[in-house]
Amino acid sequence: EPEVTQTPSHQVTQMGQEVILRCVPISNHLYFYWYRQILGQKVEFLVSFYNNEISEKSEIFDDQFSVERPDGSNFTLKIRSTKLEDSAMYFCASVYRGASSYNEQFFGPGTRLTVL
Amino acid sequence: AQSVTQLGSHLSVSEGALVLLRCNYSSSVPPYLFWYVQYPNQGLQLLLKYTTGATLVKGINGFEAEFKKSETSFHLTKPSAHMSDAAEYFCAVSPSSGSARQLTFGSGTQLTVLP
Repeated sequence: EPEVTQTPSHQVTQMGQEVILRCVPISNHLYFYWYRQILGQKVEFLVSFYNNEISEKSEIFDDQFSVERPDGSNFTLKIRSTKLEDSAMYFCASVYRGASSYNEQFFGPGTRLTVL
Repeated sequence: AQSVTQLGSHLSVSEGALVLLRCNYSSSVPPYLFWYVQYPNQGLQLLLKYTTGATLVKGINGFEAEFKKSETSFHLTKPSAHMSDAAEYFCAVSPSSGSARQLTFGSGTQLTVLP
């Protein structure tokens, strides 16, 4: 069964460093998302991406964040200068399409980011 | 804007007992409603969803939920808890229109099943 994969499973970095979190969505999916979950808190939407551009982004997704689909398979989230408060589990999700009918978002297993 | 409230961050039930996880939502337009389950060290798995049609929806693992518009609720139930149901459960909403359809999650309820 197709699934969303994410690498690495755990990333430890020093404050101020850049990190890139990688996701491989399901191959025929067209919409891609990043969410994050700070320990003990709710899952929060960061950004959605379609047709090589951002569709929606939350207030959390500031200039320190960027997303990219560098090739036909990977979808990346970059944090330019990490802060302690960026420590969280980051989930990638993909959807076949997000048009008039509902399509399920499939989530990856997450990358746990720890900023020291 | 949409929001989701889950009453109770933790719930303990005995094996074989009824499971009831509460979810209330706020939305200016009719939303789509979801329940996701998260097992330790795993991603989010869709349990069930309500988009249109029948307000009582059945999901995987014997769970079901009922959409009550007048109460803005979407409570999740299972008649008889199993040890394997121990996990964290998240209620979520998304817009029913627009292209992005991002999910807004509740805070989650950690379910413990006691032998």
